[in-house]
Amino acid sequence: DVVMTQSPLSLPATLGQPASISCTSSQSLVYSDGNTYLTWFQQRPGQSPRRLIYQVSNRDSGVPDRFSGSGSGTDFTLKISRVEAEDVGVYYCMQGKQWPPAFGPGTTLDI
Amino acid sequence: QVQLVQSGAEVKKPGASVKVSCKSSGYTFTGYYIHWVRQAPGQGLEWMGWINCDKGDTKYSQKFEGRVIMTRDTSITTAYLEMTSLTSDDTAVYFCGRTSGLDYWGQGTLVTVSS
Repeated sequence: DVVMTQSPLSLPATLGQPASISCTSSQSLVYSDGNTYLTWFQQRPGQSPRRLIYQVSNRDSGVPDRFSGSGSGTDFTLKISRVEAEDVGVYYCMQGKQWPPAFGPGTTLDI
Repeated sequence: QVQLVQSGAEVKKPGASVKVSCKSSGYTFTGYYIHWVRQAPGQGLEWMGWINCDKGDTKYSQKFEGRVIMTRDTSITTAYLEMTSLTSDDTAVYFCGRTSGLDYWGQGTLVTVSS
């Protein structure tokens, strides 16, 4: 099975400052179709997860452009250019290349 | 707009079964898969499996094989997760999500297993 790791697991952030989360997979997430199936989710306290980014760098509709995703192969990054109060929550990366899909352990962002 | 609305919280005794529903609207139900993911209290997300809402075929995580049954009723655009032989370790919020990309999620259903 593919194992996902994230760092840091806890991220104290400052309003208006950038923040970054790393995600690493135990195997390459490049599928035979050429796409890389790495997704980022945000889970605010008491809410369902919300998809932010799919296939490494594609932002979902309605996601602020201060969120961006990058990376390739096994190493990926979620960046927030300027943290806002509403960004508090847990961020998960997930691989969808190989069965079973797997989430990272989550990174808790607080202010 | 796409919506996934799940059934309400459940309290079950150890050894019992539970069935959670996920009602879809705002899109063509049979054009997508529904995935189930659970989250134990204070813990991360755990993938359970999926159902093809068109053909009805399923695939389960090995951890849940034999204890989970995913079904759907296309006439009412609803997917179901049934879990048997519950233990306290199954206490969690159970989420449904659309497609393998999980672009839309239900609000979650808390299942509490307690004697």
